Amino acid sequence: AQTVTQSQPEMSVQEAETVTLSCTYDTSENNYYLFWYKQPPSRQMILVIRQEAYKQQNATENRFSVNFQKAAKSFSLKISDSQLGDTAMYFCALCPLKDQFYFGTGTSLTVIP
Amino acid sequence: ETGVTQTPRHLVMGMTNKKSLKCEQHLGHNAMYWYKQSAKKPLELMFVYSLEERVENNSVPSRFSPECPNSSHLFLHLHTLQPEDSALYLCASSQSRTGGEQFFGPGTRLTVL
Repeated sequence: AQTVTQSQPEMSVQEAETVTLSCTYDTSENNYYLFWYKQPPSRQMILVIRQEAYKQQNATENRFSVNFQKAAKSFSLKISDSQLGDTAMYFCALCPLKDQFYFGTGTSLTVIP
Repeated sequence: ETGVTQTPRHLVMGMTNKKSLKCEQHLGHNAMYWYKQSAKKPLELMFVYSLEERVENNSVPSRFSPECPNSSHLFLHLHTLQPEDSALYLCASSQSRTGGEQFFGPGTRLTVL
């Protein structure tokens, strides 16, 4: 069975500071993708960053980076220089090859001015 | 229009009504999905269509009936719903149904009275 756990229901960060959102997962598959999605209050979910499990190098996308620890099955998201527009729900997702997406319950992030 | 669009954005219906949700993707993708999003729960995958054929039906009650007339359009027909069906219904699409990024629509907020 595949599971995704986000243990932080809510977090807050001061504008311009750095915050890390945690995600752990469980799968018996060796080939899979991991994603972080962002859902702002307007509700359109958009992709933040994607990681292929076979790549050891952590993915980076501008102010967003991940810490992918395959052995520990951990996939945290770091947001640097937080901006007000980063306020949103953040969902971690696991997708084994040829399988469906499995989502966590989300972390609600608030950036405080 | 670009990306994935959904109509209506909000819907209130009684338990005896029949209504339909519409999703359209303008990305040339081959796979489309319906998800149910409830508070404090992971996104629940309901249906998957690949090349207009239903390939997944995750034990969804028969009061939800999907239809995919072509690769760009997806409908969710609703009849005799229950109050617990109130949720945000998200449509998504992807190039294929194996491991690729999913692009989401803005969702339909459904309230069943």
